[in-house]
Amino acid sequence: AQRVTQPEKLLSVFKGAPVELKCNYSYSGSPELFWYVQYSRQRLQLLLRHISRESIKGFTADLNKGETSFHLKKPFAQEEDSAMYYCALKANTGNQFYFGTGTSLTVIP
Amino acid sequence: KAGVTQTPRYLIKTRGQQVTLSCSPISGHRSVSWYQQTPGQGLQFLFEYFSETQRNKGNFPGRFSGRQFSNSRSEMNVSTLELGDSALYLCASSLGTGDSRELFFGEGSRLTVL
Repeated sequence: AQRVTQPEKLLSVFKGAPVELKCNYSYSGSPELFWYVQYSRQRLQLLLRHISRESIKGFTADLNKGETSFHLKKPFAQEEDSAMYYCALKANTGNQFYFGTGTSLTVIP
Repeated sequence: KAGVTQTPRYLIKTRGQQVTLSCSPISGHRSVSWYQQTPGQGLQFLFEYFSETQRNKGNFPGRFSGRQFSNSRSEMNVSTLELGDSALYLCASSLGTGDSRELFFGEGSRLTVL
């Protein structure tokens, strides 16, 4: 069965410290993975997708099929990174996404 | 471009009632998806509509239904409301075809069932 797991509900790091938000998935097909972010009082929005292999706001994420993981990383956390982060997997058919339960990141000044 | 618009933003119902939520997608987007967001479960997929046809459906009871109109606007309906239906209902639109993968979310409709 398809599942996305984010083991950390809450994560706090100091400004300037590295941050890693964990995401593991289970999916029988070829996965497409995404990170969505929700800043305070804003809508949920796309942060990055694995297929683009891009760095957005200093964040990167590498799809590791062997470990079925798609961890989100940033070398130096900033206060404006404080937000709720959701890992999501897109099913092969249509536009159905499976979301993790989210990790609330707090960057301490 | 106007974003995804959901109405109403807040509503309170009692058990047994029914509710209809509306979603207007971004202009040109033909796919509309609905998600239920609760603190314990996160975002759970309800269904997706594309060109007026339900293309995918999540694991929710038949009390949850939806439809899409020719202008891509979508509605979802929940009948015989239960306390556990209290949640934030999010609508997301996308082009729904080709390489388009990004979901654009609305602000949600917060339903409270008493």
